Amino acid sequence: GEDVEQSLFLSVREGDSSVINCTYTDSSSTYLYWYKQEPGAGLQLLTYIFSNMDMKQDQRLTVLLNKKDKHLSLRIADTQTGDSAIYFCAETLFDYKLSFGAGTTVTVRA
Amino acid sequence: EAGVAQSPRYKIIEKRQSVAFWCNPISGHATLYWYQQILGQGPKLLIQFQNNGVVDDSQLPKDRFSAERLKGVDSTLKIQPAKLEDSAVYLCASSSGDGTGVEQYFGPGTRLTVT
Repeated sequence: GEDVEQSLFLSVREGDSSVINCTYTDSSSTYLYWYKQEPGAGLQLLTYIFSNMDMKQDQRLTVLLNKKDKHLSLRIADTQTGDSAIYFCAETLFDYKLSFGAGTTVTVRA
Repeated sequence: EAGVAQSPRYKIIEKRQSVAFWCNPISGHATLYWYQQILGQGPKLLIQFQNNGVVDDSQLPKDRFSAERLKGVDSTLKIQPAKLEDSAVYLCASSSGDGTGVEQYFGPGTRLTVT
């Protein structure tokens, strides 16, 4: 099974905020990532956070990290139809090898 | 800057046949990765190269999979012979630096169907 856990599906109304949650297992993780995958495409790096940070904001994206609970979240403000995709949470240790969750399918409805 | 290139994009073969995938990383990226992504799952690392040397191939099924990066640039992943369970998307990624690149960039993948 996956060491990184994510909920499988999220449905959100266009214009609302989306929050995608992830739980990782290794307290030694150095970086935590969010990737986006659209149908038939590879993975697009959205953002990442160093493990000594609590929050990172990048335009419509906000990443929150709770190290105590090993919980990572991605908030997308003003969700648009183009945000419909699968979002993967991933962690790396010191060796920078990515370990992915199974992905959360986000569907944006009008 | 050009991204990671992969070919072919799609491949259909019968079980027990052989297949090869090609990857060209972002120019100047020393580290190259191959991942296998089975439908409904996240990608799993198969092998990691730094320049032309293998850093980690612990998850590569070596009885049937092989990979090389002879000149430290392009890489080829081969499956011989293929099994039904090898049906997946094979993703190539690269990062800069001597294996210490934080950001990994992915190619579009090769979707393999084994019948």
